[in-house]
Amino acid sequence: KAGVTQTPRYLIKTRGQQVTLSCSPISGHRSVSWYQQTPGQGLQFLFEYFSETQRNKGNFPGRFSGRQFSNSRSEMNVSTLELGDSALYLCASSSTGPYGYTFGSGTRLTVV
Amino acid sequence: AQSVTQLGSHVSVSEGALVLLRCNYSSSVPPYLFWYVQYPNQGLQLLLKYTTGATLVKGINGFEAEFKKSETSFHLTKPSAHMSDAAEYFCAAYASNNNNDMRFGAGTRLTVKP
Repeated sequence: KAGVTQTPRYLIKTRGQQVTLSCSPISGHRSVSWYQQTPGQGLQFLFEYFSETQRNKGNFPGRFSGRQFSNSRSEMNVSTLELGDSALYLCASSSTGPYGYTFGSGTRLTVV
Repeated sequence: AQSVTQLGSHVSVSEGALVLLRCNYSSSVPPYLFWYVQYPNQGLQLLLKYTTGATLVKGINGFEAEFKKSETSFHLTKPSAHMSDAAEYFCAAYASNNNNDMRFGAGTRLTVKP
């Protein structure tokens, strides 16, 4: 079966702009989680969506938001981009929660 | 709150040598424990996981890990390193009382010398 698909793979944005990243989970998976990966901070949890509801949220400012659609696809949005938002954004899907994660290949966001 | 510590940000071994990557966790309740591998410009791939039951867990690509509650450890081993094992490895923990998110260690970059 198809894996977790993240689009786009690479993105370059200017400070102050906003960006939307997309994640299509494995068919049948209802849980989608987002992580930010940077060399300095490592992997940090952003939020988790389950059946269109945000179930958990990490410690990120309100500029980071997300949503999940009825087909379980999820988007995350970052507004007013800062240089420090440059990172690899990873999406993971699961049918059962964090103990069954399958990760996508990520979207590498560069803010200039 | 739980946390995960990986000892050694870089580990270098010769091809054919034992691989040992160390992971310690802290958690107020027994956690589920995981090892993931990440190749350049890729996402994370699950190597193995411990949930309950047998404490020695076998994973893909010849890796295994042992859950030692008394030592709060979950070290990853492979008897004989292969060049293709060169990658970054992440230990992670999830505890059901912790806001439902998985906590990752800082990662260990494994280099395999010919």
